[in-house]
Amino acid sequence: SYELTQDPAVSVALGQTVRITCQGDPLRSYYAAWYQQRPGQAPLLVIYGKNRRPSGIPDRFSGSSSGNTASLTITGAQAEDEADYHCNSRDISGNHWVFGGGTKLTVL
Amino acid sequence: EVQLLESGGGLVQPGGSLRLSCAASGFTFSNVDMNWVRQAPGKGLEWVSSISGGGRSTNYADSVKGRFTISRDNSENTLYLQMNSLRAEDTAVYYCAKENSVVTIRMDVWGRGTTVTVS
Repeated sequence: SYELTQDPAVSVALGQTVRITCQGDPLRSYYAAWYQQRPGQAPLLVIYGKNRRPSGIPDRFSGSSSGNTASLTITGAQAEDEADYHCNSRDISGNHWVFGGGTKLTVL
Repeated sequence: EVQLLESGGGLVQPGGSLRLSCAASGFTFSNVDMNWVRQAPGKGLEWVSSISGGGRSTNYADSVKGRFTISRDNSENTLYLQMNSLRAEDTAVYYCAKENSVVTIRMDVWGRGTTVTVS
């Protein structure tokens, strides 16, 4: 089981907006980070902190949080956004990391 | 360019041992905390272990504590994971990941992974 909870699968029509959520008690204390993972590839950081994007990540990716829930929003989803998305944060102790189970995003 | 390159994976029998390496380049390795994260076939990511920049502080997931040892050689810019008493459930792709704590903490660079099969 995972300390952070994600929906296993989400779908979105091409060009539409999709929100992927991550829930868990650690998120009351720590920001979530979001990672995109395409098949056969390593995870890629796409969002961290209070809605920050690493260099090279398109601005259609954004993040938000409230209480024990963090969200990743893709505004105007593209075909290349089809991937697994994982959230993580420090655990409540602050010494370990925890991950969500991942959400498979399908772009229709 | 910041790069991480894992090696050392392979096929090992249950109860066996394996040592993974992660060669780092493009940043000041000794200043950065590092992690091992694994992904079993068809499953999500699981944090395995972390080590501070100087190597003095380590942490482990309960699932590997007492069997795995993380270490680093800052003179060689290399991270290690010694895995003993391997079990079938340790079968996974193992990634090394660099931490970045500027502003907020995250794993900002990942290697391509190395595959460990216990069978």
